Amino acid sequence: DTGVSQDPRHKITKRGQNVTFRCDPISEHNRLYWYRQTLGQGPEFLTYFQNEAQLEKSRLLSDRFSAERPKGSFSTLEIQRTEQGDSAMYLCASSLALSEGSTDTQYFGPGTRLTVL
Amino acid sequence: QQQVKQSPQSLIVQKGGISIINCAYENTAFDYFPWYQQFPGKGPALLIAIRPDVSEKKEGRFTISFNKSAKQFSLHIMDSQPGDSATYFCAVYSGAGSYQLTFGKGTKLSVIP
Repeated sequence: DTGVSQDPRHKITKRGQNVTFRCDPISEHNRLYWYRQTLGQGPEFLTYFQNEAQLEKSRLLSDRFSAERPKGSFSTLEIQRTEQGDSAMYLCASSLALSEGSTDTQYFGPGTRLTVL
Repeated sequence: QQQVKQSPQSLIVQKGGISIINCAYENTAFDYFPWYQQFPGKGPALLIAIRPDVSEKKEGRFTISFNKSAKQFSLHIMDSQPGDSATYFCAVYSGAGSYQLTFGKGTKLSVIP
């Protein structure tokens, strides 16, 4: 399978704990996105990377959230001091930008479902 | 401020019928309008997309109709099949240095035999 992969698929944690999710984009894709999806809602944008540079962050991304994309390949999303309101599906997407400013198709992974008790 | 309004929230269609889902947007700067399909437990998958320089795009049983002056676009699923039962999201993409997709709240489609 050469699509976007995410690990773990499910995570249950207690309030106050830290969690980290991993996303492996489609090979050669230079853009990587993180979204959050709650039940009955559409995905909401969190942040975006162009190669290893984090270029855009949503105001939804509080200071408890941090994302990295070292070496411009896989990415991690860490949530510190989790709260019950963080319970959601965390989706990763990747795309191949052929030129600056190009509109490219975002391919989504299966998501990581986080439950905070 | 809700930038994309999607309706209906849910839709039940008989097999072979036409499913129609509508979206309205506010910002005229949006320049790319995709529709995504999502099955339970899966990530969204791109179904079809359109740019504002055309009024209609068709791919198989799926058609997007776009009305730039009304700031609306819709998804039509012809000959709906039970396998089309899923949640459908419209989205807008602003470009202009911002590469985020803004999604509607989704429409849960059920196609009954």
